[in-house]
Amino acid sequence: GDSVTQMEGPVTLSEEAFLTINCTYTATGYPSLFWYVQYPGEGLQLLLKATKADDKGSNKGFEATYRKETTSFHLEKGSVQVSDSAVYFCALVQGNRDDKIIFGKGTRLHILP
Amino acid sequence: GAVVSQHPSWVICKSGTSVKIECRSLDFQATTMFWYRQFPKQSLMLMATSNEGSKATYEQGVEKDKFLINHASLTLSTLTVTSAHPEDSSFYICSAREPGTTSDIQYFGAGTRLSVL
Repeated sequence: GDSVTQMEGPVTLSEEAFLTINCTYTATGYPSLFWYVQYPGEGLQLLLKATKADDKGSNKGFEATYRKETTSFHLEKGSVQVSDSAVYFCALVQGNRDDKIIFGKGTRLHILP
Repeated sequence: GAVVSQHPSWVICKSGTSVKIECRSLDFQATTMFWYRQFPKQSLMLMATSNEGSKATYEQGVEKDKFLINHASLTLSTLTVTSAHPEDSSFYICSAREPGTTSDIQYFGAGTRLSVL
């Protein structure tokens, strides 16, 4: 079945460091890909998405490119801030299967001042 | 943006008792709500999809008699864990979707941590 694999955390970085959180997926067809973020004490929020190959999703300085050839959707940010500390979930939705989001296990990110 | 409130945020109960978790959409009407479960270091797993006024659709392997879902209004869905046992201890998360939106537009509650002693 469809699945999402993302790097295990926690990931600890200093402020202004470059961030990469790896995500790969297994799916039939052409899923849409997403990154969700969960800040402490809050619900998951959609961070960015890409719906087809080579699309780049971006938001709040974060970017991820839909790479069909490598089945990847790595999350990147050039300069992280303490406020980026959160849990990040990579996810996919199959176009022909309404509503069901397949999540990765989540990666906890700690940014040190 | 849209807000989903989930209550309680943490509950401890004795084995054999039932626990009810509420999920409310505060500023929009949610025709569809979702219930997820997350074990430590695991993915969020969809348990069931509930549509207002109809029976919930459960994912394979989820016991519908154990996890009772009620979606009686457009702003409230409840999950009742009946006769809870220690293996039911987990993090339960709900989400809600506005009518006419795509599946990625789900608004999530902050989750409920259930500990069964």
